[in-house]
Amino acid sequence: GIQVEQSPPDLILQEGANSTLRCNFSDSVNNLQWFHQNPWGQLINLFYIPSGTKQNGRLSATTVATERYSLLYISSSQTTDSGVYFCAVGSYGQNFVFGPGTRLSVLP
Amino acid sequence: GAGVSQTPSNKVTEKGKYVELRCDPISGHTALYWYRQSLGQGPEFLIYFQGTGAADDSGLPNDRFFAVRPEGSVSTLKIQRTERGDSAVYLCASSLGSGWEQYFGPGTRLTVT
Repeated sequence: GIQVEQSPPDLILQEGANSTLRCNFSDSVNNLQWFHQNPWGQLINLFYIPSGTKQNGRLSATTVATERYSLLYISSSQTTDSGVYFCAVGSYGQNFVFGPGTRLSVLP
Repeated sequence: GAGVSQTPSNKVTEKGKYVELRCDPISGHTALYWYRQSLGQGPEFLIYFQGTGAADDSGLPNDRFFAVRPEGSVSTLKIQRTERGDSAVYLCASSLGSGWEQYFGPGTRLTVT
């Protein structure tokens, strides 16, 4: 099945800093989503982005499907951005597979 | 509108008991998914329904696990003869169809003692 890798596994930032999270996947996909899992365990949808670029406030994402990677950009980070960020991909006829996540801590 | 809801939010049961976990998807979503998340890991796929039928149950770990969606809306995940290794957060998601954006519920935390 499709393999998903995320980097870095852990990231510590000072409030106000910018960061880039990466997701690599092993096969072509028809679905790619970025999620933020908050400290209460809720998975919050950030982007549905099987290809192209999207922006939502301080967050933006880019997926280069032909090169099998996606990037999530967080600008001017806030303490409320802390949590685990997951990339998940779906490929034709295959299940939705989550990466191992990036654990982000934003310090005040 | 209302999101995906799951009940109960927490369930503690003794080893060997039977449990049922419920998922109410977003109205109009024909696709429904169950996942299991262990501590420190990403969610893992269990089963996918398109309408009333299980389109893919390849993620169910063994025959103690079973899920139904009799009317194409609410789904129930059933676990027989629970084991301590079944302890995890069980997540449900729904989408307009396969390949569309998935929306997750808050999960049910199952603890088997």
